[in-house]
Amino acid sequence: QQQVKQSPQSLIVQKGGISIINCAYENTAFDYFPWYQQFPGKGPALLIAIRPDVSEKKEGRFTISFNKSAKQFSLHIMDSQPGDSATYFCAAGPPHSGGYQKVTFGTGTKLQVIP
Amino acid sequence: NAGVTQTPKFQVLKTGQSMTLQCAQDMNHEYMSWYRQDPGMGLRLIHYSVGAGITDQGEVPNGYNVSRSTTEDFPLRLLSAAPSQTSVYFCASSFRQTSNTEAFFGQGTRLTVV
Repeated sequence: QQQVKQSPQSLIVQKGGISIINCAYENTAFDYFPWYQQFPGKGPALLIAIRPDVSEKKEGRFTISFNKSAKQFSLHIMDSQPGDSATYFCAAGPPHSGGYQKVTFGTGTKLQVIP
Repeated sequence: NAGVTQTPKFQVLKTGQSMTLQCAQDMNHEYMSWYRQDPGMGLRLIHYSVGAGITDQGEVPNGYNVSRSTTEDFPLRLLSAAPSQTSVYFCASSFRQTSNTEAFFGQGTRLTVV
């Protein structure tokens, strides 16, 4: 069962444009929503993360928007650059309860920023 | 600081062969995990460990074994390779698997089973 749905699967954006990747989750217990960035031939690396007590978090050109009622969150990349070309994974994790908590990943979005 | 190191980077196996993918971390992380990455499927958890001597199954454990004899190492064993196990495998570690813990990934092992 896919608990985190990510779209689109691929995205082509002009340099300077805005890249938007969307994710939706089903489990209302999730309370940690990270985004990972993966360059070709490399492992994923944490880009930015948000907790549901805020509706938006910004770090440089990267912004997470969170809509708790709709169970959706999205990554916005402002002024997209060719160096942003990578695969992006959203993820969701449950609250800490003293034991092991699995983070569930989306299926990934391959972003290509063209000059 | 090496972080998470995976070996080998590439491997071709024949159906039925066995092999071990190695994973080592030097950050003294207690939590380690193995994922496989397939096109359109994202990252799927195979096995994980919350500390030395403790392992458990993830989402897709069939055909794989793990052990955790030390904090640093978490090898993944393919018992009898099948073409369906062709994938890119990632090992990850984190200080604790709490709700706001960053996972550090290795560079991956690309495995082809023919």
